[in-house]
Amino acid sequence: DAKTTQPNSMESNEEEPVHLPCNHSTISGTDYIHWYRQLPSQGPEYVIHGLTSNVNNRMASLAIAEDRKSSTLILHRATLRDAAVYYCILSGYNQAGTALIFGKGTTLSVSS
Amino acid sequence: DTAVSQTPKYLVTQMGNDKSIKCEQNLGHDTMYWYKQDSKKFLKIMFSYNNKELIINETVPNRFSPKSPDKAHLNLHINSLELGDSAVYFCASSPSPRGNTEAFFGQGTRLTVV
Repeated sequence: DAKTTQPNSMESNEEEPVHLPCNHSTISGTDYIHWYRQLPSQGPEYVIHGLTSNVNNRMASLAIAEDRKSSTLILHRATLRDAAVYYCILSGYNQAGTALIFGKGTTLSVSS
Repeated sequence: DTAVSQTPKYLVTQMGNDKSIKCEQNLGHDTMYWYKQDSKKFLKIMFSYNNKELIINETVPNRFSPKSPDKAHLNLHINSLELGDSAVYFCASSPSPRGNTEAFFGQGTRLTVV
């Protein structure tokens, strides 16, 4: 699977939007872009994923660049509960089976 | 109802012992995984099963043996525990193994080897 690059850490204020960037310049045509987050002392939690088009769900939005070499996870109004490590992961469509490969992620701090 | 549940949540044991961690998912998923998160917080895939068949087996010591009695269960047995096995172990499941679906993780089992 192709590699992703994320900032080590970001800070935000409560109730402000947060844009978490991810670069994946070597993405292949069959790679899905996944975002997971891990709150302290919990297991990773699915946030959103997409292939080419922007995606929205109740948790966040995923904006995918036209060339797919980068993407941005958007939290529309950060809350204290959103403080977590956010992982951007590429997962290729593979009939034989694949698994999520986690990097270091971005540690998001949210201040009140 | 907990989607992916692991037992026990905490496990403290001595070096050389054999222990098992159990995982169950009630989501009807075909695929299950074991991940290890070490003290530096890196999450690494260990194993993946699809419909009870092993499909991913990363470079893991032979002392680790997964067993899937049915699609809803994936247990992890560890022989001759070593200090370096201390970590948090996460079980996960997904509808398919193909990379285009979301995965659900359990709350983790914190294993401490003393």
